[in-house]
Amino acid sequence: EADIYQTPRYLVIGTGKKITLECSQTMGHDKMYWYQQDPGMELHLIHYSYGVNSTEKGDLSSESTVSRIRTEHFPLTLESARPSHTSQYLCASGGTLRTDTQYFGPGTRLTVL
Amino acid sequence: ELKVEQNPLFLSMQEGKNYTIYCNYSTTSDRLYWYRQDPGKSLESLFVLLSNGAVKQEGRLMASLDTKARLSTLHITAAVHDLSATYFCAVYISNFGNEKLTFGTGTRLTIIP
Repeated sequence: EADIYQTPRYLVIGTGKKITLECSQTMGHDKMYWYQQDPGMELHLIHYSYGVNSTEKGDLSSESTVSRIRTEHFPLTLESARPSHTSQYLCASGGTLRTDTQYFGPGTRLTVL
Repeated sequence: ELKVEQNPLFLSMQEGKNYTIYCNYSTTSDRLYWYRQDPGKSLESLFVLLSNGAVKQEGRLMASLDTKARLSTLHITAAVHDLSATYFCAVYISNFGNEKLTFGTGTRLTIIP
C-alpha cells in the first residue's frame, strides 16, 4: 500500500487568500507530481519534480508554484486564490524503476468563493 | 502533442455481462497504466503494461496493450456492481529525460443489478 498523504482534504477559502496544499510520501520516491482534476474529468499535470531542488511545470498552465526542499515533501502554493482555482488537486509519487507506478494521494478538494 | 482517447466515455451495463473499454493514443509509447477512481476518491493503480502484447489480469478485469496499433483495452468479464467506477488509462512518455503520464478522458462505468 502506498504511503502518500495530502492535507487538507477539503478547503473552502475566500478569494485573494494565500494557500498551501501539503503532500508528503514515506516511500523515498524521487519523483513527485501534482495533478488538477475537475469533477468527472481527466487529470492534468501541473507540476512535477525529479528530486530535491528540481521542479518543472507540467502540461497545464497553472498559477500555482511548488518547492522540493526535502525528498518526502512537495507542497503546492497559490499566492492569491481565485474561484477559477476551484478543483481537486492530486499529488502522486513514483520510484525510479521502469516498472514503477505513480501512487496517488487522497487529494485536496479546493473551493474558492 | 500526445492525445489519449478513451471510449466509451460513459458505459452502463448489466451485471453478468462482458464489455471492453478502449484506449487509443497518438504517439509511440511502450508503457501504459490503468487506474480506477471511485466517486470523490483518489486513483488506484490497476495494471501496468510494459511491452507490446502484454496482458495482465486481476479478477474480472483484463488489460492488454498493442503498441503498434497504439491501443490498449480493458475487458470486463461478468460484471458485478463493485466494478462501478471511472477507469482511466495513462500513457507514459519519456522525452529527453522528462518522464510524464498523460491521462485519458476516463470511462465512467455503471453496473446495473
